[in-house]
Amino acid sequence: DTEVTQTPKHLVMGMTNKKSLKCEQHMGHRAMYWYKQKAKKPPELMFVYSYEKLSINESVPSRFSPECPNSSLLNLHLHALQPEDSALYLCASSQDPSGGRNEQFFGPGTRLTVL
Amino acid sequence: AQSVTQPDIHITVSEGASLELRCNYSYGATPYLFWYVQSPGQGLQLLLKYFSGDTLVQGIKGFEAEFKRSQSSFNLRKPSVHWSDAAEYFCALNMDNYGQNFVFGPGTRLSVLP
Repeated sequence: DTEVTQTPKHLVMGMTNKKSLKCEQHMGHRAMYWYKQKAKKPPELMFVYSYEKLSINESVPSRFSPECPNSSLLNLHLHALQPEDSALYLCASSQDPSGGRNEQFFGPGTRLTVL
Repeated sequence: AQSVTQPDIHITVSEGASLELRCNYSYGATPYLFWYVQSPGQGLQLLLKYFSGDTLVQGIKGFEAEFKRSQSSFNLRKPSVHWSDAAEYFCALNMDNYGQNFVFGPGTRLSVLP
């Protein structure tokens, strides 16, 4: 199994809602990532989990809360989002958190719309 | 600081024509370089990667890239473009002992004319 799966594919939420994005990989990778991607832009790194511990938080607002329950799962909890948070949210994984040679495998993304 | 530039925001080619997408990087040592492709609304798929050794790298879908240290470039090429190649292409750089944070270029959007 060489894929990263993400659910849901699409999500529409109001500014007062609480929702979660889910990501799963079964490749035995020990690093997992959340990216935010706006239209016509490259992905922007949000969070990195290395061996299930949060290792990078790129100054992301607290309305985004990541969680890594185990080595295969990654969640992104959303609360009180703003319309400007509407974007494609991508999950990725890589084999070795410290190895620069390791490519990142990306999921298909969750298209989030905040009303 | 490390950076990746892709000078062409948008390129249009005819189906069957050859393609070259440019990528330049700024980094003091030998970088690890990647090309990803993204179809609309989809995730990123790795086309190829360069670490060391042979400077001409073969990838999937008939793509290849050439690393030129003297020009700090890693250009992507394909001899004959298919309509299904229309997508966004991102060049990315990573560094040793810094494996967690790719530096992405801004992307080049490829359109293919029938």
